[in-house]
Amino acid sequence: GAGVSQTPSNKVTEKGKYVELRCDPISGHTALYWYRQSLGQGPEFLIYFQGTGAADDSGLPNDRFFAVRPEGSVSTLKIQRTERGDSAVYLCASSLIGGAGEAFFGQGTRLTVV
Amino acid sequence: AQSVTQPDIHITVSEGASLELRCNYSYGATPYLFWYVQSPGQGLQLLLKYFSGDTLVQGIKGFEAEFKRSQSSFNLRKPSVHWSDAAEYFCAVGAETNAGKSTFGDGTTLTVKP
Repeated sequence: GAGVSQTPSNKVTEKGKYVELRCDPISGHTALYWYRQSLGQGPEFLIYFQGTGAADDSGLPNDRFFAVRPEGSVSTLKIQRTERGDSAVYLCASSLIGGAGEAFFGQGTRLTVV
Repeated sequence: AQSVTQPDIHITVSEGASLELRCNYSYGATPYLFWYVQSPGQGLQLLLKYFSGDTLVQGIKGFEAEFKRSQSSFNLRKPSVHWSDAAEYFCAVGAETNAGKSTFGDGTTLTVKP
């Protein structure tokens, strides 16, 4: 596609539920990033994929958060037992090669946990 | 650890006036520096980036930024602000080995008065 696509654009879920957020990167981009942006703050890094593997998951806050990219393209961020504090905008970005390559951001998924 | 500080949470300027948004970073090696703009409900759009070379970099929409190593700063400037520039602006620093894994500041909200 023309840009990074994230679905859904908005997700409301109840505390304790499981959610999946999807990211479709720009075609051909091997590097993929997930960020979380809380209200009034800048984006915070969560995880980085190079191809199918998670090369750096140092930003995941706890073991309720998990992400996959099984075929090296689409990625899914999974959150188990959601908490109200998980409410944020989740941003996905991709870049052609990682390294010094510029990252392009999607419009994000706004997650609200009630 | 790398960090970014944007000292001004909110700035208001009149349309046609000049603009400078401040950014200070902390990073142990040569930084990769970025400025992004985010309009309500939109993803992050890259305005400009500094990797190496000329310390004055030109970006889109008439923006420029100057890298000053001695001051650990990367301030964003525009000579004449337009009403459409009202948005939130984020400064970010990335590693040479993985520029897409960036640390962001908390942003500066720009309001433009008519």
